[in-house]
Amino acid sequence: AQKVTQAQTEISVVEKEDVTLDCVYETRDTTYYLFWYKQPPSGELVFLIRRNSFDEQNEISGRYSWNFQKSTSSFNFTITASQVVDSAVYFCALSNSGTYKYIFGTGTRLKVLA
Amino acid sequence: GAVVSQHPSWVICKSGTSVKIECRSLDFQATTMFWYRQFPKQSLMLMATSNEGSKATYEQGVEKDKFLINHASLTLSTLTVTSAHPEDSSFYICRGQGGSQETQYFGPGTRLLVL
Repeated sequence: AQKVTQAQTEISVVEKEDVTLDCVYETRDTTYYLFWYKQPPSGELVFLIRRNSFDEQNEISGRYSWNFQKSTSSFNFTITASQVVDSAVYFCALSNSGTYKYIFGTGTRLKVLA
Repeated sequence: GAVVSQHPSWVICKSGTSVKIECRSLDFQATTMFWYRQFPKQSLMLMATSNEGSKATYEQGVEKDKFLINHASLTLSTLTVTSAHPEDSSFYICRGQGGSQETQYFGPGTRLLVL
């Protein structure tokens, strides 16, 4: 069975703090994809990153970075020097290469306080 | 870049009426359309998957006669909530998929409020 766990329901940080959002996944597939999406209060999902199971390189994009570790089945997301505009719900998702279905985590609500 | 649009973005209707939500892929061909429902402070739940020209496949627990999905073309899919009730009030989101992991995009969502 496939599953995505985001154990952190809600996180509050003060602006400029670093914050890491955890994502742990389960799958028996050897080929799969992992995603992170941001959902601001407007509701529209904003794509952040896609990573396939064969690419374990960490990625950095501005203040965002991702740590993919197959050994622990984790795909964690770090925001450096958080800003109020980062306040949103963040979803981690898993997809296999066949059906393109997403398995979503329950989301982590991030509140960045000024 | 590719965009998926949804119309309407907001709809309020009376209980018992039907509501149609349109999802259009604007510059790619969506061979598959996924429809999700999201209740407040919850995750996205997949309702159904539809392939262009075929009947939709519904997830367990989703009433196919209540949530009618049509995917008649590669750029348009519709979700009709028939005889809507207050418990159908939710945020409905579509995701168009164009044959690869790189070609998939979410629509902006439709908020449905049934009075």
